[in-house]
Amino acid sequence: GDSVTQMEGPVTLSEEAFLTINCTYTATGYPSLFWYVQYPGEGLQLLLKATKADDKGSNKGFEATYRKETTSFHLEKGSVQVSDSAVYFCALIPYTGRRALTFGSGTRLQVQP
Amino acid sequence: EAGVVQSPRYKIIEKKQPVAFWCNPISGHNTLYWYLQNLGQGPELLIRYENEEAVDDSQLPKDRFSAERLKGVDSTLKIQPAELGDSAVYLCASSYEGGNEQFFGPGTRLTVL
Repeated sequence: GDSVTQMEGPVTLSEEAFLTINCTYTATGYPSLFWYVQYPGEGLQLLLKATKADDKGSNKGFEATYRKETTSFHLEKGSVQVSDSAVYFCALIPYTGRRALTFGSGTRLQVQP
Repeated sequence: EAGVVQSPRYKIIEKKQPVAFWCNPISGHNTLYWYLQNLGQGPELLIRYENEEAVDDSQLPKDRFSAERLKGVDSTLKIQPAELGDSAVYLCASSYEGGNEQFFGPGTRLTVL
């Protein structure tokens, strides 16, 4: 079945450092890919998405590129802030079939001032 | 636009007691999802509704869990009786019919003692 694998956390960075959170997936066909963010005590918020190969999703300085050849959707940000501290989830929805998100296990990011 | 509303936000019960969670989706969203999020993991789908019809309930433990969406708007998820292992966050999400983008509520954190 479909699956998403994320790098384990926590990831601890200093403010203004470069961020990469790795995400790879297993799915048939061309799933849509997502990054969700969960701040403490809050629900999941959609951060960005990409629906086809080579698409780049971007929002709030975060970017991720849909790489079909490596089945990856790595999240990047050039300069993190303390306010970016949260848990980040990579997820997919298959192109056909079950219309439900399959999530990775999440990566906690801690940004220190 | 109001987001997905869930109540209660927190619930503490003793094992073998019943519990119910309520969700009101974003206005106009035909599709409603209930997800279960265990500590340190990504959410997993319990049930998906298209209007008032449960179209995917394959992961719902039907011996103790039930759900309803009688008028195709708000929904209730019930557990009876609750077990210690049911302690988790129960998330509700909604989307337009056929849409990829799901919007999540803040969740209900259940603690079973």
